[in-house]
Amino acid sequence: AQKITQTQPGMFVQEKEAVTLDCTYDTSDPSYGLFWYKQPSSGEMIFLIYQGSYDQQNATEGRYSLNFQKARKSANLVISASQLGDSAMYFCAMREGPFSGGYNKLIFGAGTRLAVHP
Amino acid sequence: EPEVTQTPSHQVTQMGQEVILRCVPISNHLYFYWYRQILGQKVEFLVSFYNNEISEKSEIFDDQFSVERPDGSNFTLKIRSTKLEDSAMYFCASTDGQGYEQYFGPGTRLTVT
Repeated sequence: AQKITQTQPGMFVQEKEAVTLDCTYDTSDPSYGLFWYKQPSSGEMIFLIYQGSYDQQNATEGRYSLNFQKARKSANLVISASQLGDSAMYFCAMREGPFSGGYNKLIFGAGTRLAVHP
Repeated sequence: EPEVTQTPSHQVTQMGQEVILRCVPISNHLYFYWYRQILGQKVEFLVSFYNNEISEKSEIFDDQFSVERPDGSNFTLKIRSTKLEDSAMYFCASTDGQGYEQYFGPGTRLTVT
C-alpha cells in the first residue's frame, strides 16, 4: 500500500497567487514526521518544511505552510505569493518513528510538478 | 553553512562495470543514507548506515550494492556490476540524529550504457 500519496502530477498557478499541493499519508506509528522537499530542474533536493505528528500547530516557514489534518492523514503544502522560481517538482515525504533517532528512512511520494505562470 | 557533497556529479559507465559513488556527509553527523531517483520517478530509499554498519536496507539494495565508510569523512556506495536499470540519480543524505532534517547532497547522476 502507498504510504505517501500525491494525487496531483502537475499543477499550475499564476504568479503572486497561492497554491496548495496535496499529500496524504498512511501509517500506524503514532510518532512520525512529514516533510516537503523542492526539486528544481537542476536536480538537488531542497528541504522546505517539517511537521511532527505531535506538533499542535501547523508548521510555517516563510511563504510555505503545512496544512496538517491528522484525522484525515493529510499534510498539504501551501505556497503563498507564488514566484517564478517556485516552478519545480515538490515531494512529500514521511519518516516513521520518533523525532530523533536518525536511522529512520524517508518515504517519498511521487511528486507534483508545479508551474508558475507570469 | 555545512553541506553534504557528492562526487562525481555525473558518471557514465558500461554495463557490467563497477562504480563507486562518493559522499562527504556533514562532519558531526552520525547517520548516513543513500537514496536513488530513476528519471521522472520518486525518490527511493536504498540503505541507512550508523556506527559502521547498515541499519536498514530496501529490497533494491541487493548483493550488487555495498556501502562503506572507509575513513572519518567519506561514505561510499559501490555497485559491483552495473545494469541498465541502475541508471538514476543517487542522493546521499546525513543527519545528526537529534534534529529532524536529513540533509541531502546534490546527487550523482549515473548513466549505464
